[in-house]
Amino acid sequence: AQKITQTQPGMFVQEKEAVTLDCTYDTSDPSYGLFWYKQPSSGEMIFLIYQGSYDQQNATEGRYSLNFQKARKSANLVISASQLGDSAMYFCAMRPSYGQNFVFGPGTRLSVLP
Amino acid sequence: GAVVSQHPSWVICKSGTSVKIECRSLDFQATTMFWYRQFPKQSLMLMATSNEGSKATYEQGVEKDKFLINHASLTLSTLTVTSAHPEDSSFYICSASREVAKNIQYFGAGTRLSVL
Repeated sequence: AQKITQTQPGMFVQEKEAVTLDCTYDTSDPSYGLFWYKQPSSGEMIFLIYQGSYDQQNATEGRYSLNFQKARKSANLVISASQLGDSAMYFCAMRPSYGQNFVFGPGTRLSVLP
Repeated sequence: GAVVSQHPSWVICKSGTSVKIECRSLDFQATTMFWYRQFPKQSLMLMATSNEGSKATYEQGVEKDKFLINHASLTLSTLTVTSAHPEDSSFYICSASREVAKNIQYFGAGTRLSVL
């Protein structure tokens, strides 16, 4: 069975500073994808970044980067230069390569302080 | 811009009535779409996988007769909450994948259902 753990129910960060949101996962599948989504108060789920389990380099997308440590089964999201608009719920998710169903973590609520 | 459109964004209905929610993939075909339910301050819970041209696959514990899913075309899946009751009040959100290789799921904006 697959499981995603996000140990930080809530995080605070000062505007313009960097923040790391933790995500660990458990799977026996040899190949899988890891994803981060942002959910603002409006409710929509916004795709942020993807990391394949066989990707050699950590994924980056603008201010978002994924600190992928395969041996530790962790896929932490790093947001650089936080902005007030980054305040939202953040979900880590995983999908095995052979299937399509996503497994989501419980989420981390990020609050950016001015 | 949005690649998945979901309608309506918000609906209020009386107990006992049925509500239909539409999920459309924009400018791409989606043979598979997913329907999730999200309770306040909780994560997304997969309800069912919608397959174009065939029956939906429901997750354990989800009543298929209560939550009817139809995927009649490659760009449209619908979720009908039948004989809605207050406990069905929730946030419902659909997703579809546009990229075969990475299988990134793109989500609709969600539908907030309130049953009175």
